[in-house]
Amino acid sequence: QKEVEQNSGPLSVPEGAIASLNCTYSDRVSQSFFWYRQYSGKSPELIMSIYSNGDKEDGRFTAQLNKASQYVSLLIRDSQPSDSATYLCAVTDFGNEKLTFGTGTRLTIIP
Amino acid sequence: DGGITQSPKYLFRKEGQNVTLSCEQNLNHDAMYWYRQDPGQGLRLIYYSQIVNDFQKGDIAEGYSVSREKKESFPLTVTSAQKNPTAFYLCASSNSGRVNIQYFGAGTRLSVL
Repeated sequence: QKEVEQNSGPLSVPEGAIASLNCTYSDRVSQSFFWYRQYSGKSPELIMSIYSNGDKEDGRFTAQLNKASQYVSLLIRDSQPSDSATYLCAVTDFGNEKLTFGTGTRLTIIP
Repeated sequence: DGGITQSPKYLFRKEGQNVTLSCEQNLNHDAMYWYRQDPGQGLRLIYYSQIVNDFQKGDIAEGYSVSREKKESFPLTVTSAQKNPTAFYLCASSNSGRVNIQYFGAGTRLSVL
């Protein structure tokens, strides 16, 4: 049984600062990693995907993957109040149609 | 307007009643999924389907049933055997292939009367 672990938070970050979200996973053969953002009462929306070790940047978001240590992180630079949400980490294998989700980290950006 | 449509947005179930949640997609995706989310929890997989007329149980399939008669549609029935059905139900779809990027509908919130 794959496990995906996230700190549930809440994580409070001042506006304009960097928010750092972490996720660890148990299955060493995991190959694809995703970060979803979920606003309260809404459905998850994909914000980042990463497949190779290292960093991947998209605007204010950077995903970092370290397969040897089995963790993936999400950095949000210049945090805005609109970034306040729950962030879900999800993991799958190549060719595996199932995603395993973590329980999510609730992020609050303080104006 | 492409996307995944779930209906209804809110649904109430009486004791002993079966209810069906609708999920339709026009993204031409091969695979479709149903998840359940409880407050403060992550998503748990109920059923998934990779092709028409075929589906597999997820981690919490007991008390649920699905069908996949058309590529666009993947309805979920919450049966009376599901004793704790109150939750947020999410449908997702993805293209088959090497990378599984799933996109979600807006969800259905089910409550018990």
